Amino acid sequence: GQQLNQSPQSMFIQEGEDVSMNCTSSSIFNTWLWYKQDPGEGPVLLIALYKAGELTSNGRLTAQFGITRKDSFLNISASIPSDVGIYFCAGPINTGTASKLTFGTGTRLQVTL
Amino acid sequence: NAGVTQTPKFQVLKTGQSMTLQCAQDMNHEYMSWYRQDPGMGLRLIHYSVGAGITDQGEVPNGYNVSRSTTEDFPLRLLSAAPSQTSVYFCASSYSISAGIQYFGAGTRLSVL
Repeated sequence: GQQLNQSPQSMFIQEGEDVSMNCTSSSIFNTWLWYKQDPGEGPVLLIALYKAGELTSNGRLTAQFGITRKDSFLNISASIPSDVGIYFCAGPINTGTASKLTFGTGTRLQVTL
Repeated sequence: NAGVTQTPKFQVLKTGQSMTLQCAQDMNHEYMSWYRQDPGMGLRLIHYSVGAGITDQGEVPNGYNVSRSTTEDFPLRLLSAAPSQTSVYFCASSYSISAGIQYFGAGTRLSVL
């Protein structure tokens, strides 16, 4: 099936540091989504991107839709302990009658004080 | 603000037992889906539905059945549980059949012994 490759797989950072992660695909996507999953919870949408080259911010989070439409990037500035969790990229795949959402394997973020 | 509600939160089954994972949403969303989450695998789509009476297979449908008799409910059935179905299961819903932005439940943690 369609694969979204995320890197890094995991990150251990200190509070206050900036974080960068990315997601790549062999196919073009028309929408890129970034979700965060807190421990023991379901994923929650952080940012949605709809146009190649688009740069969108949500507080300390900034995401970009790559111009090739095959990648996307998420940056977190000045990390805090509550940023801990797993970050997933996702994109819809058109099946003809509907779309299915495919997810990357996630980037696990740990923040130390 | 109930959103997407999944029950039970935890379940232990013996191999060969059957059970139904319940999912209900109160947002009048047409699109609903089931995912399983395994370590290092991200979220994989099991089945999805674009409306009452319409269901389709996702990436990993074997061993699971679904039906959609109402807009609100989308139960997932395991007819004969196997240890390979030990996982965390998430239900999600979306206001758009393009499945771009989905809202997730808190998950059901299933162990099959």
